[in-house]
Amino acid sequence: DVKVTQSSRYLVKRTGEKVFLECVQDMDHENMFWYRQDPGLGLRLIYFSYDVKMKEKGDIPEGYSVSREKKERFSLILESASTNQTSMYLCASSLAGSLTGELFFGEGSRLTVL
Amino acid sequence: AQKVTQAQTEISVVEKEDVTLDCVYETRDTTYYLFWYKQPPSGELVFLIRRNSFDEQNEISGRYSWNFQKSTSSFNFTITASQVVDSAVYFCALHYNNNDMRFGAGTRLTVKP
Repeated sequence: DVKVTQSSRYLVKRTGEKVFLECVQDMDHENMFWYRQDPGLGLRLIYFSYDVKMKEKGDIPEGYSVSREKKERFSLILESASTNQTSMYLCASSLAGSLTGELFFGEGSRLTVL
Repeated sequence: AQKVTQAQTEISVVEKEDVTLDCVYETRDTTYYLFWYKQPPSGELVFLIRRNSFDEQNEISGRYSWNFQKSTSSFNFTITASQVVDSAVYFCALHYNNNDMRFGAGTRLTVKP
């Protein structure tokens, strides 16, 4: 059963803390994505990666960074968490060169920043 | 601009009613893909359907059907004889270029017994 696994379903952090969100996929997909989901705004792309050590900014990269040291793992980093980063974070993966673009999603990580 | 609009924020129906979720998109690309995803309460988005821009045939899968009309830039989703298990947030999405996927804001569907 193919799977995208996010390390934490729920996190509570304080303003200024460094936050790591981890995502692992077992489908040997080249592309991996981080989205945040907010009510009324849908899913907005933060960063994506199409290969190991490669990354591209999405629509809302400010305040975030990412790391892709291994093909199966894509980490989202909040260097100094702020309350406006309270959100649901979704990781996804897809096959490279797939024009169809079907994404496979993890269950999400709900982050609360106090 | 590439954009997906789901004007219905929330819909509530009673079980066995039919319901249509609207999706309107904007794109300058001639080649693109449209998707519907379902997000149940568990949180994981589940792929429902993909349609490419050159295929305007409507599709039916069990109680689900999709109506793609390029003339109105719409890709609407109908659930026939809705069930409580259909309660979820549904997202329409537009895929263009090789990696970019643009999502709508989502429609929360509640099906009451």
